[in-house]
Amino acid sequence: NAGVTQTPKFRILKIGQSMTLQCAQDMNHNYMYWYRQDPGMGLKLIYYSVGAGITDKGEVPNGYNVSRSTTEDFPLRLELAAPSQTSVYFCASSVGQGYTEAFFGQGTRLTVV
Amino acid sequence: ELKVEQNPLFLSMQEGKNYTIYCNYSTTSDRLYWYRQDPGKSLESLFVLLSNGAVKQEGRLMASLDTKARLSTLHITAAVHDLSATYFCAVDMGDMRFGAGTRLTVKP
Repeated sequence: NAGVTQTPKFRILKIGQSMTLQCAQDMNHNYMYWYRQDPGMGLKLIYYSVGAGITDKGEVPNGYNVSRSTTEDFPLRLELAAPSQTSVYFCASSVGQGYTEAFFGQGTRLTVV
Repeated sequence: ELKVEQNPLFLSMQEGKNYTIYCNYSTTSDRLYWYRQDPGKSLESLFVLLSNGAVKQEGRLMASLDTKARLSTLHITAAVHDLSATYFCAVDMGDMRFGAGTRLTVKP
């Protein structure tokens, strides 16, 4: 039972570099989400998707991009990394709007130096 | 703009005591979730509340939802050390927005 898989688990980036955080789910969920969690804080929604080919901005989308070409995958792209993007990133998925809870990946701890 | 507010943000309890965590939200929704997060870990689903008056219980935790008051509560009965964690509520409005979390510490 893989559930939601995020890679990598840890990453250090230099300012100005770019990277893609990978997220894959094997539960055939329509909805997928990207959140960031700063130390001691709650989760802030970056982007979400309600199905393949459909994405929408959340609370804090600036500096990030997403795509959803398949139901399974929802990568998050960081362009021109900045220290303010140092955070733990969580990917989550759910069956659909309001039916069940979301299932979370294990997180990616990103440090920008 | 949707706001989800939890209180208290920090809670230190003695084992055996009862307490309630509150989650207020600013817009109409009848879908609310509670999650638990242990330090350095991911989030684990606790309760799914999908209608006004919904009440769910699991062990020493009980969650309820009042959609008219836009309020959910998470009640802890006879706390034990294993309940120490951060508890989040989340409101579903098409996307899912989280409260800031309540960091619970249960002391012997």
